[in-house]
Amino acid sequence: DTAVSQTPKYLVTQMGNDKSIKCEQNLGHDTMYWYKQDSKKFLKIMFSYNNKELIINETVPNRFSPKSPDKAHLNLHINSLELGDSAVYFCASSQDVEVYGYTFGSGTRLTVV
Amino acid sequence: KNQVEQSPQSLIILEGKNCTLQCNYTVSPFSNLRWYKQDTGRGPVSLTIMTFSENTKSNGRYTATLDADTKQSSLHITASQLSDSASYICVVSASHQAAGNKLTFGGGTRVLVKP
Repeated sequence: DTAVSQTPKYLVTQMGNDKSIKCEQNLGHDTMYWYKQDSKKFLKIMFSYNNKELIINETVPNRFSPKSPDKAHLNLHINSLELGDSAVYFCASSQDVEVYGYTFGSGTRLTVV
Repeated sequence: KNQVEQSPQSLIILEGKNCTLQCNYTVSPFSNLRWYKQDTGRGPVSLTIMTFSENTKSNGRYTATLDADTKQSSLHITASQLSDSASYICVVSASHQAAGNKLTFGGGTRVLVKP
């Protein structure tokens, strides 16, 4: 299946821990993104990568770091997790976003306790 | 500041009935507008895309309209089915922006279809 897949789907962890969320796309898209969906369901961009280069880095805490070993993968690493990091994180990819829009993954629900 | 506002926030309708969701935006320069459907526990999936010159676009029982002058869009669902229960998100794309800045998301309208 051609898709954007992210793992894990659910992640429960304690404050202060370090965790990673993985994302892979087999669509051949050039750009990948991480979005955070807050409790009010707003999707806010965190990072985007184009051909392994960071295009934009919104004002997210530096505890969040994207890592892209190749253009098919964009992983999200989070250090020293805080309660406020609890949210659903979506990975997405695009080839020509104005024409084709995004293809989203199914999301990772992160709960920090 | 680019903004997308959707109304209502939530909506309950009976199966078989029609409903209309609204989207107002202040995004400039405007490129296109999309409606996404997000099922519970899933990522958003694109329903329709409209450019400046398009007034209406249909995808099955979903019909989107766009008034570029008033910067308003609507999504009409005809003969609703239980599977239409989801969040519907209006997303507006701006031209001449870096890829990560192009899209502005609305907060979504949650639709619940009851039998």
